[in-house]
Amino acid sequence: IAGITQAPTSQILAAGRRMTLRCTQDMRHNAMYWYRQDLGLGLRLIHYSNTAGTTGKGEVPDGYSVSRANTDDFPLTLASAVPSQTSVYFCASRAGPNTEAFFGQGTRLTVV
Amino acid sequence: QKEVEQNSGPLSVPEGAIASLNCTYSDRGSQSFFWYRQYSGKSPELIMFIYSNGDKEDGRFTAQLNKASQYVSLLIRDSQPSDSATYLCAVTSFMDSNYQLIWGAGTKLIIKP
Repeated sequence: IAGITQAPTSQILAAGRRMTLRCTQDMRHNAMYWYRQDLGLGLRLIHYSNTAGTTGKGEVPDGYSVSRANTDDFPLTLASAVPSQTSVYFCASRAGPNTEAFFGQGTRLTVV
Repeated sequence: QKEVEQNSGPLSVPEGAIASLNCTYSDRGSQSFFWYRQYSGKSPELIMFIYSNGDKEDGRFTAQLNKASQYVSLLIRDSQPSDSATYLCAVTSFMDSNYQLIWGAGTKLIIKP
């Protein structure tokens, strides 16, 4: 693992199903983030975690949950997927409050 | 609501010319500013960061910060077709008891050969 890794890279999911997007980083960064990116809307923050054991809600948290059991992993769960959750999801991490964010390669999710 | 605004474009620039991308932000307390490039279907990647007023140069790229006017810009000299991408501006703001990155929606840049 080098940097930040997301899995899967793409997924087609039936509406109503539960899905967990995985994110792992090996940079020992404290802060981690989940964004969704839709055409014309830019990056929108779903949830974040400033350190292991803590999480917070972003701009568009409804329908999503996260956990941060350790420094490296930050999974995002869709409890019951809906078509409006079709999007590209990016996980990101950064070391400190004024440092740059590093991104995973993204997960393209289609809910049908 | 703290905001970062960019012209969505597309901005079309001839090859070899200077491309100028602009970003304004609402939070006067912001301390760090970032420019990312995002190719279609790929994740954002950092081009430059700037913390202090003035210019910061890195190769063909120059970031300019003016905190009094609350804008940050990115100049790309000798533009190449490979510079065609969406450029995202991000600003750190203190909100909800922690520092958050606030993102602009991006400017699509097209370099015409």
